Amino acid sequence: GQNIDQPTEMTATEGAIVQINCTYQTSGFNGLFWYQQHAGEAPTFLSYNVLDGLEEKGRFSSFLSRSKGYSYLLLKELQMKDSASYLCAVLDSNYQLIWGAGTKLIIKP
Amino acid sequence: IAGITQAPTSQILAAGRRMTLRCTQDMRHNAMYWYRQDLGLGLRLIHYSNTAGTTGKGEVPDGYSVSRANTDDFPLTLASAVPSQTSVYFCASSEGGRAADTQYFGPGTRLTVL
Repeated sequence: GQNIDQPTEMTATEGAIVQINCTYQTSGFNGLFWYQQHAGEAPTFLSYNVLDGLEEKGRFSSFLSRSKGYSYLLLKELQMKDSASYLCAVLDSNYQLIWGAGTKLIIKP
Repeated sequence: IAGITQAPTSQILAAGRRMTLRCTQDMRHNAMYWYRQDLGLGLRLIHYSNTAGTTGKGEVPDGYSVSRANTDDFPLTLASAVPSQTSVYFCASSEGGRAADTQYFGPGTRLTVL
C-alpha cells in the first residue's frame, strides 16, 4: 500500500528553527510537495522537490532524499503566523497526489 | 472572481437527500479535483478531471459523481447523502498538461450529514 508518515504535532518557540519530517512509501515517485494549511482554511503551496537535495525559499527550505524515501521542511526564524498544519504529498506513478495526514505546528512566544 | 470559489461554505443535510457542491475557477486551468479532508487523515481524492469533457475516479469515489461541461465549473453531487460523508470538501485546480503542476485550492465546503 501507499503510505506517507509525518508527526502529528510539533511545538516550537518563536524565533527558533523547526524541522518537519516526512517519510513515504509509494508506488512510484514523480515529486514531493509541501503545503501549508491554517486552521479552517485551504492548503496553500510551499514547495516542490523532484531531485535530491535542498531547495531554499526565504525562511522555508525543503529537502529530498529519494533513496531514503524521506523529505523534511525546515522553517527558520519562526513567527506566530507559522502556526499551521504542514502537509506532505507525493506524486505517485499514476501522477496522483498521495497526502500525509499533516503535522500541526504550534508556535509559542 | 479571483481563483477558485466554492459554494456553499457550509451545509447541514439530512441523510438520503441529494446535494451538489459547486466549484468554479477563473484561472483557465485544465485540470480540476475534488478532495475530502477528515480529521487525522490526509486529503483523499474523490474525482478529478484532466480537461473539460473528461472525468476520472480517485481514491474514494463511491457515493459521489461529477461532471465537467466546461473549463470553469466542476460540481460534485452526492446522490443520497450518508453520515459517513460528513467532511470538509475541497476543490482544487492546476494548469494541467504537466503532471507535476501545483494545485490551487478553494476555501472548502463543510458538510454535515445527519
